[in-house]
Amino acid sequence: GDSVTQMEGPVTLSEEAFLTINCTYTATGYPSLFWYVQYPGEGLQLLLKATKADDKGSNKGFEATYRKETTSFHLEKGSVQVSDSAVYFCALRSSGSARQLTFGSGTQLTVLP
Amino acid sequence: EPEVTQTPSHQVTQMGQEVILRCVPISNHLYFYWYRQILGQKVEFLVSFYNNEISEKSEIFDDQFSVERPDGSNFTLKIRSTKLEDSAMYFCASKAEQGQSDTFGSGTRLTVV
Repeated sequence: GDSVTQMEGPVTLSEEAFLTINCTYTATGYPSLFWYVQYPGEGLQLLLKATKADDKGSNKGFEATYRKETTSFHLEKGSVQVSDSAVYFCALRSSGSARQLTFGSGTQLTVLP
Repeated sequence: EPEVTQTPSHQVTQMGQEVILRCVPISNHLYFYWYRQILGQKVEFLVSFYNNEISEKSEIFDDQFSVERPDGSNFTLKIRSTKLEDSAMYFCASKAEQGQSDTFGSGTRLTVV
């Protein structure tokens, strides 16, 4: 079945540091890939997505590239801010886009001033 | 921006009691989902709902669980006889159509004592 493996946390960085959160997946066919973010006390918000191989999703300075050859969708940001402190979830949706999302375990990011 | 609204934000119930978690999806959305997240674990799919019926459900969604869309606006998750292991954050999500992104509510934290 589908699965998402995400870098274990928590991750603590200083402001302006470079961020990478690793995500790899197992799925049949050609899934769509997502990063969701959960700020304290809030729901899951879509951060970015990519629907086919070599697509790059980007939003708010975050980027992730759909790499089919390595089945990966690593999240990166060049310079993190304190306001980026949140839990980040990698997720996929298999072909058949009404289907449910399969999530990774989440990575807690704390950015210190 | 339209929101998915979940109530209550936190519910405490005694083991064996019935609980109903409520969600108001975005008004023109057609696909509805429930997920749960046990503390420290992955976000897990429970059930999807489309065209007034369940379209998929996971192994977690056993006979103790049911969903309803009683009045065309609310989307409820009922747990008939709660167990301690049902304690989790429950997220509702909806989307307008295939290919669109899901919008999540902020969750209901259910604590079974």
